[in-house]
Amino acid sequence: DVKVTQSSRYLVKRTGEKVFLECVQDMDHENMFWYRQDPGLGLRLIYFSYDVKMKEKGDIPEGYSVSREKKERFSLILESASTNQTSMYLCASSFGKGTGSLYEQYFGPGTRLTVT
Amino acid sequence: GESVGLHLPTLSVQEGDNSIINCAYSNSASDYFIWYKQESGKGPQFIIDIRSNMDKRQGQRVTVLLNKTVKHLSLQIAATQPGDSAVYFCAESKGAQKLVFGQGTRLTINP
Repeated sequence: DVKVTQSSRYLVKRTGEKVFLECVQDMDHENMFWYRQDPGLGLRLIYFSYDVKMKEKGDIPEGYSVSREKKERFSLILESASTNQTSMYLCASSFGKGTGSLYEQYFGPGTRLTVT
Repeated sequence: GESVGLHLPTLSVQEGDNSIINCAYSNSASDYFIWYKQESGKGPQFIIDIRSNMDKRQGQRVTVLLNKTVKHLSLQIAATQPGDSAVYFCAESKGAQKLVFGQGTRLTINP
């Protein structure tokens, strides 16, 4: 089974702190994604990566950055956390090329971040 | 921009009945659609997908219908069980690895 793990289930940080959210997948997937999930808004894409050291902005990249130094690991960075970044953060991964379900993304359990 | 929307944010059904969750999409160029189920405290899990060259696809107790004429997608769950209680998301893609998700529908099962 594909496994996507996230470093923390719950995180509480103060305004202005630098926050790192880590994601690791064990299936040699090329693609990795970071979403935030807010009630009534569904999942919104922050950043994604098609390959090591490669990143592309999603729909809401402001206030975030990412790092992908190794294929299995994709990090989301909040340079200076703000209260409006309080949310559930979900990491996902998928194969680079269509295999069976073309674009199926496998999700981690999520990190609920509270910024006070 | 692209958007995927759901007609109803909540749906309540009797245990044993069939459930139908609807989704409207706006991008006629989308060629792939997928349904996810998210249980409380968990990440979304894949249910079923369909390509744009198909109208219907069946899985175990689930069926996805695609109507490209009106840009509508639906998920049918047969004989709904308590374990089906969750939030259901549709998502679309247009030839890229990126998915665009709808806002979700919360399905509640009444005993």
